[in-house]
Amino acid sequence: GAVVSQHPSRVICKSGTSVKIECRSLDFQATTMFWYRQFPKQSLMLMATSNEGSKATYEQGVEKDKFLINHASLTLSTLTVTSAHPEDSSFYICSARGNGVNTEAFFGQGTRLTVV
Amino acid sequence: QKEVEQDPGPLSVPEGAIVSLNCTYSNSAFQYFMWYRQYSRKGPELLMYTYSSGNKEDGRFTAQVDKSSKYISLFIRDSQPSDSATYLCAMSFNSGYALNFGKGTSLLVTP
Repeated sequence: GAVVSQHPSRVICKSGTSVKIECRSLDFQATTMFWYRQFPKQSLMLMATSNEGSKATYEQGVEKDKFLINHASLTLSTLTVTSAHPEDSSFYICSARGNGVNTEAFFGQGTRLTVV
Repeated sequence: QKEVEQDPGPLSVPEGAIVSLNCTYSNSAFQYFMWYRQYSRKGPELLMYTYSSGNKEDGRFTAQVDKSSKYISLFIRDSQPSDSATYLCAMSFNSGYALNFGKGTSLLVTP
């Protein structure tokens, strides 16, 4: 299957700082990227959907000013957690899909964010 | 009521056993059904992908979808210790769209 690379795999930051997570599609053009968040022993919850060149669509309850998503190219989307707080500590996972009708979405390896 | 329900387990079986994992859902508009395997601190890995009702087999894995009952299953034959992981069911309204995940079932296969 296609490869989606997510970086960094884990990050620890101080409360109040911002953290940027990158999601790259290595061998296909990702027209749509999805960002999920997973708390321990919980399911993956969709945070937002982004299409290349467009503003992201956020799910209800997800603050767009706190979780900034940029999908400026067909191979890269970034999620920036601004002014992070301990309650933002979670596992963040991106997935990417190419263009087409029956196109599978591939997942990145995830980023473990710990805010101290 | 959550859209996708999945028993979190944990489920512990001996090596070689047949494992049955399942999910129920409430939205009859779901058309695509998937099973993912997730190892600790890693992203999900797609195992099975099924459209609408029916069965699909791939090696030791069989996925079943019963849309009339809103029930999906994953069977693992001849389970191996390397199958120990969390198994997530997921479903979507259209192919490639955002997925609705179950909580995941933690499986431990003991030698």
